Amino acid sequence: SAVISQKPSRDICQRGTSLTIQCQVDSQVTMMFWYRQQPGQSLTLIATANQGSEATYESGFVIDKFPISRPNLTFSTLTVSNMSPEDSSIYLCSVSRGRDQPQHFGDGTRLSIL
Amino acid sequence: GDSVTQMEGPVTLSEEAFLTINCTYTATGYPSLFWYVQYPGEGLQLLLKATKADDKGSNKGFEATYRKETTSFHLEKGSVQVSDSAVYFCALSDLRGSTLGRLYFGRGTQLTVWP
Repeated sequence: SAVISQKPSRDICQRGTSLTIQCQVDSQVTMMFWYRQQPGQSLTLIATANQGSEATYESGFVIDKFPISRPNLTFSTLTVSNMSPEDSSIYLCSVSRGRDQPQHFGDGTRLSIL
Repeated sequence: GDSVTQMEGPVTLSEEAFLTINCTYTATGYPSLFWYVQYPGEGLQLLLKATKADDKGSNKGFEATYRKETTSFHLEKGSVQVSDSAVYFCALSDLRGSTLGRLYFGRGTQLTVWP
């Protein structure tokens, strides 16, 4: 399976600031996704990162709050903008080689907002 | 819509005990089913998968059978170890949905195994 590197692994941020999370894959993948895991909860899909076009957001998530880039088939970024304590979560990148292939996850970014 | 209902935890077992974690699903299409495991402080790892009815996924002593008639994908292991302590997530991927390949996750089941 693909090797997925997610950075930073954790951060503590001040409210009102923004943080960009990077997801790097060691080989080209068709699909890249961003999930949020709030404390003690399951995973919720934020958006599908589309190469060369705007991301596809799930209900309840908007581009202004979670801008996503995907410049090529091995790299994507998620920005958490104007952070508040409610944004304290684990943010995970996942990748898949096709819609009928399993997704593989990075180790996540543990984000705390003070 | 598509959804996954997973047995609530936490589950606490002694080493070498038998494990079952129940998972049922609702889907309008023909989903693939997965179990993921999350060890403390880590991301999710794919544990096993099944892509069609009656398929059995297996890995590291864990097994799950895709039962279309009961819409279930229960996770089992005959003899758990302390190292199996983790959170287990059942998930489905509906290949016909509007977001192709997206995963729908259950709530997760925390397993703790005591020596």
